[in-house]
Amino acid sequence: EAQVTQNPRYLITVTGKKLTVTCSQNMNHEYMSWYRQDPGLGLRQIYYSMNVEVTDKGDVPEGYKVSRKEKRNFPLILESPSPNQTSLYFCASRNAGTPYGYTFGSGTRLTVV
Amino acid sequence: ELKVEQNPLFLSMQEGKNYTIYCNYSTTSDRLYWYRQDPGKSLESLFVLLSNGAVKQEGRLMASLDTKARLSTLHITAAVHDLSATYFCASGGGADGLTFGKGTHLIIQP
Repeated sequence: EAQVTQNPRYLITVTGKKLTVTCSQNMNHEYMSWYRQDPGLGLRQIYYSMNVEVTDKGDVPEGYKVSRKEKRNFPLILESPSPNQTSLYFCASRNAGTPYGYTFGSGTRLTVV
Repeated sequence: ELKVEQNPLFLSMQEGKNYTIYCNYSTTSDRLYWYRQDPGKSLESLFVLLSNGAVKQEGRLMASLDTKARLSTLHITAAVHDLSATYFCASGGGADGLTFGKGTHLIIQP
């Protein structure tokens, strides 16, 4: 089944403890993105990647890092999480050769205490 | 800076009624997307609108795009309870991802 897989689905952590949210897609998509969703703010883009080793900042990149060493994986790294990073996170991917929309993962609900 | 504005942000309506959600965007993007999100769930793609005048329909939902006015609409016909959800429009969709509106929280009451 074609899909975008995020792990974990739920995570509670403490301030300052480094964490990684993984994202993997099995569709050979070139484009991948990370978003955070907060009540009243909709979805805001954190980082995006056009292909392997090509990443760039989105609208709200502060406090986050990403890497794209393999085409299928696009992990989101929080090196020192803070409570304001408590949010619902989505990874998404798209084939560069088609005009269709992004496919989204199931989401990761992160709570930083 | 690309901006996408939806309205209304909250809509409560009765079953059987018609209504329209509006989505204005601030650049000349040729692509407009509509997604549906149920509580606690991910985003489900509803429509992809790729050119001026595009109209797509699926069941009781119909989406249209006017690139000259930078406006897309999502029209709900004879609403039913199962359509209760949050609806997002988004623009862009290229390598640099999507820019979303804040979403329209739709409640359809019997």
